Amino acid sequence: QKEVEQNSGPLSVPEGAIASLNCTYSDRGSQSFFWYRQYSGKSPELIMFIYSNGDKEDGRFTAQLNKASQYVSLLIRDSQPSDSATYLCAANTGTASKLTFGTGTRLQVTL
Amino acid sequence: KAGVTQTPRYLIKTRGQQVTLSCSPISGHRSVSWYQQTPGQGLQFLFEYFSETQRNKGNFPGRFSGRQFSNSRSEMNVSTLELGDSALYLCASSLTGANNSPLHFGNGTRLTVT
Repeated sequence: QKEVEQNSGPLSVPEGAIASLNCTYSDRGSQSFFWYRQYSGKSPELIMFIYSNGDKEDGRFTAQLNKASQYVSLLIRDSQPSDSATYLCAANTGTASKLTFGTGTRLQVTL
Repeated sequence: KAGVTQTPRYLIKTRGQQVTLSCSPISGHRSVSWYQQTPGQGLQFLFEYFSETQRNKGNFPGRFSGRQFSNSRSEMNVSTLELGDSALYLCASSLTGANNSPLHFGNGTRLTVT
């Protein structure tokens, strides 16, 4: 079964620190990878996506992809309490809009 | 630009009934996908529609069906509801459904089956 694995957390980081969220995937055919943020009781919100090896930066967020190691990560710099949420990693496995999601990592940013 | 709109936000149904959920994608988006989210299984893909045709389907029973209209709006139907169908149903739209065309989710419809 094609899977996306994430540590469920919670991952606790102090305000202003870097939060590092990790994700591994089993399907080598996966081409694009997505990070979504989901606040409790809300729907997932797209943070960024990546489909080339290396880093992609957008503001305080950096996505990293290593296809050889089948590993995706999300770095959040200068973490804020408002970043406290569940972060979902997803990969498209086989067809573009069919995403396989991980179970999410809960991030807690403490004051 | 308005986001993905789902109606209704909440539904309570009893076992055996059927339900129809509605989704209006972001203007210009032609691909609409449906996902089910439960605490135990997380987010799971139901199906995707593009240009009024079902393009992909997940591993759900035939009680789950959908359709897409010429204006890209989509509906999802669940017949003969079971208690296990209680979940948050999320609709997502994307411009083309291609690899570099990410999904944008609506606020979801929370279905409770009693």
